[in-house]
Amino acid sequence: QKEVEQDPGPLSVPEGAIVSLNCTYSNSAFQYFMWYRQYSRKGPELLMYTYSSGNKEDGRFTAQVDKSSKYISLFIRDSQPSDSATYLCAMRGAGGTSYGKLTFGQGTILTVHP
Amino acid sequence: GAVVSQHPSRVICKSGTSVKIECRSLDFQATTMFWYRQFPKQSLMLMATSNEGSKATYEQGVEKDKFLINHASLTLSTLTVTSAHPEDSSFYICSAVPDDSNMRDTQYFGPGTRLTVL
Repeated sequence: QKEVEQDPGPLSVPEGAIVSLNCTYSNSAFQYFMWYRQYSRKGPELLMYTYSSGNKEDGRFTAQVDKSSKYISLFIRDSQPSDSATYLCAMRGAGGTSYGKLTFGQGTILTVHP
Repeated sequence: GAVVSQHPSRVICKSGTSVKIECRSLDFQATTMFWYRQFPKQSLMLMATSNEGSKATYEQGVEKDKFLINHASLTLSTLTVTSAHPEDSSFYICSAVPDDSNMRDTQYFGPGTRLTVL
């Protein structure tokens, strides 16, 4: 079993739809949770970052972390064609020898069509 | 802020040659940088952790003599693929962890380098 599971999709939605992306994980030591967006042939771009459980909103993006269920989500409201990309969840523990080292999900390919 | 650059963005080389890829943090210092490899339609695979002033730490299965890492300063890490072969063709991405305590909780990625070995 992988430490982080993410449905690779692909996911195709019409413009304006609400998109829900999710990851589950098994390592209870994970404390920091991130979502990255990666366009084709580009490096990942940090979208959202949350620490421990809770919600965080930034514009059209909302990140949720439920540590009790080991489940994180990213919601995209009013999705746009420019949101078409691969979305990667990533997480890490709170320090120690693996400080900074991220564990990634497989990535979900999202296409928003006009 | 938190910009990471990579050079070159794309390189094509002949089998048996060595290729150096540079990773620079442009507006912050980073004692720790990471090197990843990514195959098409797959997630990032961590190759090694690069620490300024000390030897890199390689992930299991990654040949340290083939993928040489040098972290010469707080803003520059280099990855050299020695005696490259076609199976080394891939997308190589670096990331950097800012030393600034206000930014240290995550990594910022470079744009990637596409290596093609003929």
